[in-house]
Amino acid sequence: DGGITQSPKYLFRKEGQNVTLSCEQNLNHDAMYWYRQDPGQGLRLIYYSQIVNDFQKGDIAEGYSVSREKKESFPLTVTSAQKNPTAFYLCASSPDSPIEAFFGQGTRLTVV
Amino acid sequence: GQNIDQPTEMTATEGAIVQINCTYQTSGFNGLFWYQQHAGEAPTFLSYNVLDGLEEKGRFSSFLSRSKGYSYLLLKELQMKDSASYLCAVRGRTNDYKLSFGAGTTVTVRA
Repeated sequence: DGGITQSPKYLFRKEGQNVTLSCEQNLNHDAMYWYRQDPGQGLRLIYYSQIVNDFQKGDIAEGYSVSREKKESFPLTVTSAQKNPTAFYLCASSPDSPIEAFFGQGTRLTVV
Repeated sequence: GQNIDQPTEMTATEGAIVQINCTYQTSGFNGLFWYQQHAGEAPTFLSYNVLDGLEEKGRFSSFLSRSKGYSYLLLKELQMKDSASYLCAVRGRTNDYKLSFGAGTTVTVRA
């Protein structure tokens, strides 16, 4: 089945550690996105990528890094520089035409 | 930059109609999307507008006025399962895939 997969669903890390969230899609979509959602809030764009080996900062990129070495994969690293990393992280993908983005099921990261 | 505004909360009665407004100010425009999100889940796509006018999909309709930077989502014959957050999102310039979201409107349907 085609879709977008995020793993793991829940992730716990100690403060000061880097952590990488996985996002894989088999929809052959060009664009991929990472969003952060805090309780009761909307989605804030962290990074997005329109094509392999290229990505753009979103509105809250500080403390995060990404790579896009393959069309199918867009991992997000939450670094120790991110001051408040505990949140719900959502990955999405869309084709190059402006139709809807499809979301993964999200990763809930808790830093203790 | 992009600025997208929605009301924070709305409450309505089962069977009624609710209209959720969204205003936006963006650098370029290439489509407006509405998503539904239940608590703890991923957003799911509801509708898409790129031209002015009304798009109808069953109980849900969405309207767009590009000159006014305004859209609304209309939910008819409300059901308890419609209690959720509704997110307005805007895609920017034609060759820019940036997709920005508003803060979302939480709709509570009461019996």
